Amino acid sequence: QSALTQPASVSGSPGQSITISCTGTSSDVGGYHFVSWYQQHPGKAPKLMIYDVSNRPSGVSNRFSGSKSGNTASLTISGLQAEDEADYYCSSYTSSSTLGFGGGTKLTVL
Amino acid sequence: QVQLVESGGGVVQPGRSLRLSCAASGFTFSSYGMHWVRQAPGKGLEWVAVIWYDGSNKYYADSVKGRFTISRDISKNTLYLQMNGLRAEDTAVYYCARAWKEYCSGGSCSGGMDVWGQGTTVTVSS
Repeated sequence: QSALTQPASVSGSPGQSITISCTGTSSDVGGYHFVSWYQQHPGKAPKLMIYDVSNRPSGVSNRFSGSKSGNTASLTISGLQAEDEADYYCSSYTSSSTLGFGGGTKLTVL
Repeated sequence: QVQLVESGGGVVQPGRSLRLSCAASGFTFSSYGMHWVRQAPGKGLEWVAVIWYDGSNKYYADSVKGRFTISRDISKNTLYLQMNGLRAEDTAVYYCARAWKEYCSGGSCSGGMDVWGQGTTVTVSS
């Protein structure tokens, strides 16, 4: 099954920008436009932040953006705010018709 | 409002069975693909299974294939996960989630899950 690679942690100061990477293969991230990103605060259900690589659901701040290059997808958060501190997960459709998640990245706002 | 509410979790012995339910409201349930996703204590998200909007296709993670079955009852607006042969490693919070795209099929069912339930906890222990 797909195991996407994310950094375990990233950090940034309020107002700064950070980028979280999500590396897969040509059988998942690189092969399809079906990459999504989720934010999860402790004890809460995940929240969809980006779908289909770069689209934001209604209600999600435009400080969040997604992109993809080759086998690596990225989530960028600009103008960091304290409320952005959370765990972030990427996911991608795979050639096996399944879905894989990354291991998650803990974002700390300094 | 659009809502998913899971139920059916609990403590179960290894090898036993459990059926989870996910009641949908506030949207046309029959128009959306649905997923189950789980999260073991202190761990990351793990995808479990997906069912297309019309129930025509179902796919499973290797870790549960042959043991778990996803299904849906349109008349009851309810998604199910039948879990047989439970193992300690199945201990997790189980979430149901809606695929964002109406009438999804194939990869479009996995482009993003926009509505999530609050989760139900399954503990497998003797």
